[in-house]
Amino acid sequence: AQKITQTQPGMFVQEKEAVTLDCTYDTSDPSYGLFWYKQPSSGEMIFLIYQGSYDQQNATEGRYSLNFQKARKSANLVISASQLGDSAMYFCAMREGLTSYGKLTFGQGTILTVHP
Amino acid sequence: GAGVSQSPSNKVTEKGKDVELRCDPISGHTALYWYRQSLGQGLEFLIYFQGNSAPDKSGLPSDRFSAERTGGSVSTLTIQRTQQEDSAVYLCASSTQGGGYTFGSGTRLTVV
Repeated sequence: AQKITQTQPGMFVQEKEAVTLDCTYDTSDPSYGLFWYKQPSSGEMIFLIYQGSYDQQNATEGRYSLNFQKARKSANLVISASQLGDSAMYFCAMREGLTSYGKLTFGQGTILTVHP
Repeated sequence: GAGVSQSPSNKVTEKGKDVELRCDPISGHTALYWYRQSLGQGLEFLIYFQGNSAPDKSGLPSDRFSAERTGGSVSTLTIQRTQQEDSAVYLCASSTQGGGYTFGSGTRLTVV
């Protein structure tokens, strides 16, 4: 069963605008962590932001914020003030359980294109 | 080392040959993971090591795939009798308690 769903194969945004990338997840474990990664055309995986299932506040890291809606099982990534360098593939991922180890399950990704 | 190192960066092999892919994790990272990424797709989990043991190898697609880790450090992913559908980028990651996951640059495998 698909545990991470990213429904937007591609997204376009104008430079300096904000964009939201959608992610929904499915788990019966009350303890889990949610991650977002950026993969530019070079292929490296760059960690962006993390949200724990018990975290009360939405995570923020610079221009990145995670809109965590636990009851809806969604963990959308918001990128504010988009830059041309934000053009890349973005992956949502989940780790189940209390431990900080364990496999990440990834979604299919969203290709973001930032237009000047 | 400073990052996760994978070798080779590119590998072209003939169908039916065996290949070995190597991952050298960040020093002190006890957990190591292998993923496979087909063109334009998400990352598919293969196997996870904690130290030298593999508590989760549920993602290995067939018995042609195996992996080992020695000394709690370097890991080797072996694919026997390669098939064209094995062509993909194989990514390795490592992590430590309380830390995040650091990925290597991957090995691009092409089976011709």
